[in-house]
Amino acid sequence: EPEVTQTPSHQVTQMGQEVILRCVPISNHLYFYWYRQILGQKVEFLVSFYNNEISEKSEIFDDQFSVERPDGSNFTLKIRSTKLEDSAMYFCASSSDLTDTQYFGPGTRLTVL
Amino acid sequence: AQTVTQSQPEMSVQEAETVTLSCTYDTSESNYYLFWYKQPPSRQMILVIRQEAYKQQNATENRFSVNFQKAAKSFSLKISDSQLGDTAMYFCAFQNGDSSYKLIFGSGTRLLVRP
Repeated sequence: EPEVTQTPSHQVTQMGQEVILRCVPISNHLYFYWYRQILGQKVEFLVSFYNNEISEKSEIFDDQFSVERPDGSNFTLKIRSTKLEDSAMYFCASSSDLTDTQYFGPGTRLTVL
Repeated sequence: AQTVTQSQPEMSVQEAETVTLSCTYDTSESNYYLFWYKQPPSRQMILVIRQEAYKQQNATENRFSVNFQKAAKSFSLKISDSQLGDTAMYFCAFQNGDSSYKLIFGSGTRLLVRP
């Protein structure tokens, strides 16, 4: 069964460093999402992406964040200068249509020291 | 703005018994979708069940079923014949069917299935 994959599973970085989180969505899906979950809290929407453009973003997704689909398979989330409060689990999701079910990857645990 | 409320932070059930997890939501939209996702200790988000608001029939997936009460804006999840592998965090989520397609999650219910 097709699934969303994410790398790395765990990333440790120093405050102020740039990180890139990678996702490979399900191959025939056209809509891509990033969510994050701070430990012990609810899952929060960050951004949605379609047709090489951001469709929607939350107030969390400020200028420090960017997304890109550099090729036909990868979907990346970049955090330019990490802060302690960026420590969280980051989930990538994809769907075949806007109202289709979003399927989640296993997540990347980001730890900012 | 839409909100999703899960009023039960933790629940516990004996193996093989039935448990119901509650979820209420607030929206002025008429076209939307509701979901239950499971998050086991591995923290992967796994879809359990999906309900389209325009469908009156409650969704069912094997041991999992929902009680969708549109007028009351309630969407509870019933797990029958609970298994140890059902131990997880369960999140209710809302998706607007017409404009914003992001998922809005509740705060979750931690379910423990006791042997």
